[in-house]
Amino acid sequence: NAGVTQTPKFQVLKTGQSMTLQCAQDMNHEYMSWYRQDPGMGLRLIHYSVGAGITDQGEVPNGYNVSRSTTEDFPLRLLSAAPSQTSVYFCASSYYGGAKNIQYFGAGTRLSVL
Amino acid sequence: AQSVTQPDIHITVSEGASLELRCNYSYGATPYLFWYVQSPGQGLQLLLKYFSGDTLVQGIKGFEAEFKRSQSSFNLRKPSVHWSDAAEYFCAVVLIQGAQKLVFGQGTRLTINP
Repeated sequence: NAGVTQTPKFQVLKTGQSMTLQCAQDMNHEYMSWYRQDPGMGLRLIHYSVGAGITDQGEVPNGYNVSRSTTEDFPLRLLSAAPSQTSVYFCASSYYGGAKNIQYFGAGTRLSVL
Repeated sequence: AQSVTQPDIHITVSEGASLELRCNYSYGATPYLFWYVQSPGQGLQLLLKYFSGDTLVQGIKGFEAEFKRSQSSFNLRKPSVHWSDAAEYFCAVVLIQGAQKLVFGQGTRLTINP
């Protein structure tokens, strides 16, 4: 089972460049989310989606866009990268409909913005 | 403010010694509680969870955690650590009535001395 797959694993960008971090899951999960991990701050929620066509903002959404056209995919877009977006990004997925649903995480994308 | 706090940023223990990682939460109602582990360069793996019932819960890899409502705590323990337990550990909560969003503590990095 592939689970949650994130690509790329590593990326270096220059300030102002754009890019899309990919996230795909093969568990038919309705709920998908993006987190960023920074030292001393744990993981913070960027955006989440409860199904195709439905997205909402998390704790730190500024500078990031998302869309959800299929159940399987939930890409995260950086339209104009900034050094403050240097971080490790994790995608997660779960069934939706109750707080007991366990979220499964991808291996992460390490992004550096110069 | 609602939050999850892990007071210890970094803990070092000797192999074979016991371990306790602290986690406190500040919410009006008791949330659902989780511990995740992140090995170097890896994604997050669920160690254990508490929803209700017995306040001592068992997880994978020999870990256990105890929920104490009076102290708003959910501390993680292991009787005897192994070198392979070196990792970062995250406490997280989900509000029972909410949008299924995970809120993480800052993380505790565990180093094992041989």
